[in-house]
Amino acid sequence: AQSVSQHNHHVILSEAASLELGCNYSYGGTVNLFWYVQYPGQHLQLLLKYFSGDPLVKGIKGFEAEFIKSKFSFNLRKPSVQWSDTAEYFCAVKDSSYKLIFGSGTRLLVRP
Amino acid sequence: GAGVSQTPSNKVTEKGKYVELRCDPISGHTALYWYRQSLGQGPEFLIYFQGTGAADDSGLPNDRFFAVRPEGSVSTLKIQRTERGDSAVYLCASSLKPDSYEQYFGPGTRLTVT
Repeated sequence: AQSVSQHNHHVILSEAASLELGCNYSYGGTVNLFWYVQYPGQHLQLLLKYFSGDPLVKGIKGFEAEFIKSKFSFNLRKPSVQWSDTAEYFCAVKDSSYKLIFGSGTRLLVRP
Repeated sequence: GAGVSQTPSNKVTEKGKYVELRCDPISGHTALYWYRQSLGQGPEFLIYFQGTGAADDSGLPNDRFFAVRPEGSVSTLKIQRTERGDSAVYLCASSLKPDSYEQYFGPGTRLTVT
C-alpha cells in the first residue's frame, strides 16, 4: 500500500528564514503529488501540484516543490517565510486510483 | 461560486447513537470524496463517488459506516452505533471529474462521541 512520510511534525522559524519541509512517498509507479495547506480556522487548500514535466513546480504565495523521482521525494520550499505562513502543511500522493493519500502533516509556526 | 459545504459543523453524540453527516459539493462536480482526519494525523480516505455510485469504498473502517449519494450531488455519511474512536473531523471533497487535478475540500464536520 502507498504511504506518505513527512519527517518534520513541528517546525518553528523566524520571519525571513528559509523553509524546507520533507515529503517521501512509497509508490513506485506514476504518481501525482500535492501539497495542501490548512491555515488556522480554515479548510484545506491546494498549494501546488506535480503531474508531469518540469520537476520543479511553483505554487501560490511563493512556495515551490521539487519532485526527485530517484529519491521518491517531493519537498516543499520557500526562500523567505512570513508570519502569515503559519499553518499546517500536508503532502499527498494520488496514484492510478482517485483517492489522495496524505502524510501526517507538519505544523509550521513563524515567529514575527 | 460556492465551495463545498458540510453540515453540521460540529456534532456531539453519545456512544451507541446514529449520526448523519451531510456534504454539498460544488455544483457540477461529478466526483465526491469522504475523508476522516483524527487528531494529529492527515486525512484518511473513506469512500469515493462517481455520480451516484460508490466507486471505491475501501477506506470505510467497518460496516457501521455507510454513505449515499442518491442524486449524484449531495452525499450523506452515516455512522451506526457510534464509538468513541469515531471521534474525528470528517472531510468532504469534490472534483469536476475523478482525474481532475484538484480536489476541493469543505470545512469538515467535527464529530465527538462521548
